[in-house]
Amino acid sequence: DAGVIQSPRHEVTEMGQEVTLRCKPISGHNSLFWYRQTMMRGLELLIYFNNNVPIDDSGMPEDRFSAKMPNASFSTLKIQPSEPRDSAVYFCASSLRDSPLHFGNGTRLTVT
Amino acid sequence: GESVGLHLPTLSVQEGDNSIINCAYSNSASDYFIWYKQESGKGPQFIIDIRSNMDKRQGQRVTVLLNKTVKHLSLQIAATQPGDSAVYFCAEIAYGNNRLAFGKGNQVVVIP
Repeated sequence: DAGVIQSPRHEVTEMGQEVTLRCKPISGHNSLFWYRQTMMRGLELLIYFNNNVPIDDSGMPEDRFSAKMPNASFSTLKIQPSEPRDSAVYFCASSLRDSPLHFGNGTRLTVT
Repeated sequence: GESVGLHLPTLSVQEGDNSIINCAYSNSASDYFIWYKQESGKGPQFIIDIRSNMDKRQGQRVTVLLNKTVKHLSLQIAATQPGDSAVYFCAEIAYGNNRLAFGKGNQVVVIP
C-alpha cells in the first residue's frame, strides 16, 4: 500500500501566484481531509470530504482557498492568490468510516 | 521537521527508560481518542487509539490510558528507543463528528 500521496513535497512561490496542492488518498478510503500545520496554530482542519462530497469547509481560511475532489482517487487544494501568511505545511489524510486517519507526508509551502 | 518545534513541551528520556506523555482534552463529548507520532519531514503516523468505553489499551511497547473524569489521556512508551524521538499528538473526536481535533504536541528526545 503506497499510503496517501501528496505532491509537490515543496513549493516556493511569490505572493499573488496561484498554488495547487494535490492528493491521492489510499484506495478504498471514503473520507479525505486537508490539514494545515504551523508552529503557531498546530494542526488545523481546513476541509473534509465524504464520498467525494465536501462536508465541512468551516476551517478554510477565506475565499482564496478552495478544494475539490473530482473523484475518489484525487483531490486538490488551491490558493489563489497566495500570501506569505499561507506559508505552512499542508497535509492530506484519508480514512475509511471510523478508522484512524492516514496522513501523507505533506507539502511545504513557502510564499515569498 | 519543518512544521513543529521551538515552543513545544519537551520530554528528554534516556534510551531504555519508559516515557509518559500527557494530554488534556476539553470536549466532554469526545468519545474516541488517538495518539499520533510525527517525525521530522513526515506526516502524523497513527500509534494507538482508545474509545471512551475503555480506560486502558495496550499495543506493542505502547499503552494508552484514558481518564474521562478529569479529561486526561496519556501515552506510555516502554523501553524508549532512539527511533521514538518525535513529536507526539493526541487527537479527539466526538461520535458522529468527523472533525479530529489535535492537541499542540509534545516533543520526545531520546538520549542514547
